[in-house]
Amino acid sequence: NAGVTQTPKFRILKIGQSMTLQCTQDMNHNYMYWYRQDPGMGLKLIYYSVGAGITDKGEVPNGYNVSRSTTEDFPLRLELAAPSQTSVYFCASETSGGYNEQFFGPGTRLTVL
Amino acid sequence: GEDVEQSLFLSVREGDSSVINCTYTDSSSTYLYWYKQEPGAGLQLLTYIFSNMDMKQDQRLTVLLNKKDKHLSLRIADTQTGDSAIYFCAERAGNNRKLIWGLGTSLAVNP
Repeated sequence: NAGVTQTPKFRILKIGQSMTLQCTQDMNHNYMYWYRQDPGMGLKLIYYSVGAGITDKGEVPNGYNVSRSTTEDFPLRLELAAPSQTSVYFCASETSGGYNEQFFGPGTRLTVL
Repeated sequence: GEDVEQSLFLSVREGDSSVINCTYTDSSSTYLYWYKQEPGAGLQLLTYIFSNMDMKQDQRLTVLLNKKDKHLSLRIADTQTGDSAIYFCAERAGNNRKLIWGLGTSLAVNP
């Protein structure tokens, strides 16, 4: 199993540009999450999904959109990039039942200039 | 609201024990977790404890849970340089799908 994969690893955007961060998992997990990590600020939840076709907002959804057309894929869209969106973005999927472990991708480091 | 707090930095000498502390506010927590983040990587589950347990041991790791004080600790015995990382405490309340995360404790292990 590849686990959770994210592309790209790095990206520099200009203010106002758009991009999609890709996330794919091959563990057949229903639950998936997008976080952003800023230095010294821990993890902030952007959006999450409990299954294909179902998404919901987290703590910091403004400026982002998501979709979940399949169990495997959970892309994150930035429509009008702003410097405040400079961050490291992590996608995670989660097991169901028991202690519910979250599996994280390697992250996408995004800089908006 | 729900909150998880942990100290930001810890420095230990190689071979010593490390103790990372965490406090939480939600008394309905079901599971509490310790995740490890190595430089440039995503987080990885290190260990977890169910709320009806007081202690869990796994090789060099010991987790202690004090429900009365809402205090969780992670002890790493014989700390090695490879243990240098950021350690995140997280709690899950009831059937909530969302975890409440601490800000992370950066552990530096000095030779």
